[in-house]
Amino acid sequence: DQQVKQNSPSLSVQEGRISILNCDYTNSMFDYFLWYKKYPAEGPTFLISISSIKDKNEDGRFTVFLNKSAKHLSLHIVPSQPGDSAVYFCAASSYGKLTFGQGTILTVHP
Amino acid sequence: DVKVTQSSRYLVKRTGEKVFLECVQDMDHENMFWYRQDPGLGLRLIYFSYDVKMKEKGDIPEGYSVSREKKERFSLILESASTNQTSMYLCATRTGGWVTPEKLFFGSGTQLSVL
Repeated sequence: DQQVKQNSPSLSVQEGRISILNCDYTNSMFDYFLWYKKYPAEGPTFLISISSIKDKNEDGRFTVFLNKSAKHLSLHIVPSQPGDSAVYFCAASSYGKLTFGQGTILTVHP
Repeated sequence: DVKVTQSSRYLVKRTGEKVFLECVQDMDHENMFWYRQDPGLGLRLIYFSYDVKMKEKGDIPEGYSVSREKKERFSLILESASTNQTSMYLCATRTGGWVTPEKLFFGSGTQLSVL
């Protein structure tokens, strides 16, 4: 039973345009959400997070939006750069335990 | 910067072998985790530990055990390796209390192939 789902296995975007990665969850007990980025042959690195009491968090080119009623979060990258090409995982936390989605492969074309 | 070191980058083992995956962190973090990453399944939690000699099962503990004798070291053990344990194994650490949603720091991973 997948409690955190990333339904798009891959996304291709032109450099300079917006990338939107989506994530859906089913567990209402999740109270904190995070995005991680993973390059090949490296471990995931933390990107941005949001508490369930907020609906938006911004950090430079990265913005995470949370819609609690829809149990949906999204990561916006503006503008997208070729170096953003990686696998992106969303994760949700309940009592300190993280549950990850399947990941979305983002490719940003020059 | 937090450094999480996994002892092997690539590992090839035979079915039935006992396999040890080692993870060492240098930031005095209380919490340590073992995940496996498989295509289409994301990262799944195998075991975690919130203190020395303490361990808790994650979502997929079957076929695995762990050991944490020192705070900085967390070992994952495959008692009798099977082909369905071929995967990328990722160790992670974080600070904070157990329910604190602090971010995880990951090692580079060990790609294990069981033949």
